[in-house]
Order: sequence, then structure tokens, then C-alpha cells
Amino acid sequence: AQKITQTQPGMFVQEKEAVTLDCTYDTSDQSYGLFWYKQPSSGEMIFLIYQGSYDEQNATEGRYSLNFQKARKSANLVISASQLGDSAMYFCAMREGIANFGNEKLTFGTGTRLTIIP
Amino acid sequence: ETGVTQTPRHLVMGMTNKKSLKCEQHLGHNAMYWYKQSAKKPLELMFVYSLEERVENNSVPSRFSPECPNSSHLFLHLHTLQPEDSALYLCASSGGGDRANSPLHFGNGTRLTVT
Repeated sequence: AQKITQTQPGMFVQEKEAVTLDCTYDTSDQSYGLFWYKQPSSGEMIFLIYQGSYDEQNATEGRYSLNFQKARKSANLVISASQLGDSAMYFCAMREGIANFGNEKLTFGTGTRLTIIP
Repeated sequence: ETGVTQTPRHLVMGMTNKKSLKCEQHLGHNAMYWYKQSAKKPLELMFVYSLEERVENNSVPSRFSPECPNSSHLFLHLHTLQPEDSALYLCASSGGGDRANSPLHFGNGTRLTVT
């Protein structure tokens, strides 16, 4: 079974509008972390935001916020006031349990391609 | 200097060739990773090295051979590849501690085409 599910293969959003990218996850661990990355056409994966399973507040980083609903196992990324430079692939990822032996591996979803329309 | 540097950016090789991908990190991290990114599939974790010791190998075919001579460098040696091995190969590094919020830092990747 998929551990990370991103159901939106592609999205088109008007510039300056807010956009929500969906992510649901599956884990039996009590301790886990959720990450969002942006991948422009250049290929580099850029870290955007992190949410820990025990964090009571939703994470925010500038225009990015994470809508964390633990009971629903969802961790949607919200981008406010979208810009043309936000056009990219966006990946949701999860780290389960506590990092062990220095292995901080992440499991990724299939991604959502976001296109901002001027 | 960017944090994680991968070379080459693009590589085209025949099925009988031998080539190597190189990754270098300047972040003082002690864990390094190889991921494979194919179209419409999640990133697939291939190998994990921590303090130069391989700590994870996700059933990767032996035609892929990793090498980690020190905590700053990671190689992926390729030989007798198949066309389905064509993909973007991403290297990443992390602090290697028990910090749950520590993200992976990625390079720009090597776009590999096997002909």
C-alpha cells in the first residue's frame, strides 16, 4: 500500500490565488514527520516545510502553511498568494519513527504538478 | 558552492558502458542517499550511507554499485544498465542524527539515458 498519496497529478491556478495541494499518509508509528518539497524544472528538490506528528500547531513558513489533520492522516500544503515562480512539481514525504543509525530517509508521494497562470 | 553537487548533470550511455555518478556535499552532514526518480512514480530510495557505512540497500540490482569513500563524497557506479534504468538520479544528504525535523538536502540530479 502507498504510504504517501497525492491524488492531484496536476493543478492550474490563477496567479495571486491560494492553492491547496493534497497529501494523505499511512503509518502505524506514533512518531513521524511530514515534509513538503518543491522541484522546479531544474531538478533540484527544495525543502519547503515540516510538520511533526506531535506538533499541536500547523507549521507555517512564509507563504507556505501545512494543514495538518492527524485524525484524517492528511497534511495538505497551502500556498497563499501564488506567484509564477511557484510553478513546479510538489512532493509530500514522510519520515517514520525516530531516525536510526543516522538514517533519516524519507518516503515520497508521486507529486503534483502545479502551474500558475498569469 | 551549493550544498550538494552532482556531476554530470546529463549522461547518455550504452548498455555495455561503465560510468559513475558523483555526489559531493559541503554541509558537514554524515548521511548520504541515492534516490531514483522515474516518470509518474514516487522517488525510490536506493541506498543510504551513514558515516561511510552502508545502512540500507533497497533490493537494488547489482549493476548499480555505490561507494562512499568519506562523509562528503558518494558515488554510484553503473555497468551493463538496461533502458528501464533511464531516470533522474538524485543524491541527498542529512545531518545523520536523531533530529526528526531534519530535512534531506538534495542535489540537482543526474539525468541518465540508457540507449
